[in-house]
Formats: sequence, C-alpha cells, structure tokens
Amino acid sequence: GAVVSQHPSWVICKSGTSVKIECRSLDFQATTMFWYRQFPKQSLMLMATSNEGSKATYEQGVEKDKFLINHASLTLSTLTVTSAHPEDSSFYICSASAWIYGYTFGSGTRLTVV
Amino acid sequence: ELKVEQNPLFLSMQEGKNYTIYCNYSTTSDRLYWYRQDPGKSLESLFVLLSNGAVKQEGRLMASLDTKARLSTLHITAAVHDLSATYFCAVNYGGATNKLIFGTGTLLAVQP
Repeated sequence: GAVVSQHPSWVICKSGTSVKIECRSLDFQATTMFWYRQFPKQSLMLMATSNEGSKATYEQGVEKDKFLINHASLTLSTLTVTSAHPEDSSFYICSASAWIYGYTFGSGTRLTVV
Repeated sequence: ELKVEQNPLFLSMQEGKNYTIYCNYSTTSDRLYWYRQDPGKSLESLFVLLSNGAVKQEGRLMASLDTKARLSTLHITAAVHDLSATYFCAVNYGGATNKLIFGTGTLLAVQP
C-alpha cells in the first residue's frame, strides 16, 4: 500500500530559528501534497496545497513567507517554518495524493518552539 | 467555502451501547472519508464513501453517505473501550486541487 514518510517526528527549536519538515511518498508518485496544522483538541486545518514544480497555493490566513513549501519532485515536499515563535508550536501533518491511492497521511511532526 | 461539521463534538458512552456520529457538509462533493486519530498520532483511514447511498462496514463501525442531504453517519455498534479515539470526517473539495477539508472532529470516550 501507499506509504508517506514524514520527518522529523518531533522537534524543539528556539524562538527565531527555522525548522524544516520533510514529507516523502515512498512507493508512489504523488500528484499533489497537502500540509495541515493541528492544535491540541482541534481539527486539522489545511495550510497549503502543492504540486510538483509549481508554487504552493496557500489557504486564506496562512502566511506564505512564514511557511515556505517546496515541492521539488513527485515524491518530496518540504515545509519550512521560518523565524518560528511559540505560537507556531503545533502538530503538522502532510498528506500525499494520488488517484489510485487517494490521500495518504504522514505520521506527523510535533513542533515546540521555546 | 466548504464547511464540514460534526455532531456531537464529544461523546461519552458505555461499553455495549450503540451511537451515531453525524457529519454535515455545505457544498457538493464526490467523496467522503472517515478517519480515526489516537492521541499524539496521525490519521488512520477507516472508510471512503464514493456515491449516494454508499454503506461500508468494518467491525463495529458502519458508515453511510447521503449526498442529497449532504450527510454522512458513522454508527458504532456495541462499543468497546478500544474504540476510544477522535473521529474525523473529511470531504473532498473538488476542482483541480482536490483539497480534503476536515470536520470538527468527535472525541469518543467509551467507559467500561
């Protein structure tokens, strides 16, 4: 079946630094990749949609200069949280989409900014 | 803008009882998903419902879809403690991007 690998699983960083999260589809090529953010006891909020080789499309209210998304290949997308602050602390989940597999989710990254 | 709402947000039930979680969505969609999330974990896929009247069952869980009413239900039969988790429905928002928009979630706590 389809597998999506997301790294790191958790990260702690200092306020003002940048953090990169990777999302890889291991055994299939993803047409589209999605990035979600989830605060404690809340639902998943879609942040952005990315297609290989093109700029990401951000949802309303999501700062594209703060959350940089790069989709360099059909199997890899990265989310970089720039100049992180404590309010960026959250659970980030990626999802890769392919017609035959539907949506496959990564294991998530718990980001804590101190 | 697509909105997806679930009811109830929190459900405490006793083992052996039956209950239904409801998922309403605001615009036309061609598929609906149900997921389970355990604390601190990512999502586990439960069901994909592709057409009006679709019904799928796995163990003690059964999901159905009424596209005319824009309503999906997740029915729990004879609940057991292992079913305790948060359940999300999600709706495919069509067009070129095929975004998946999640419902508000239902936290299910099954008490012994």
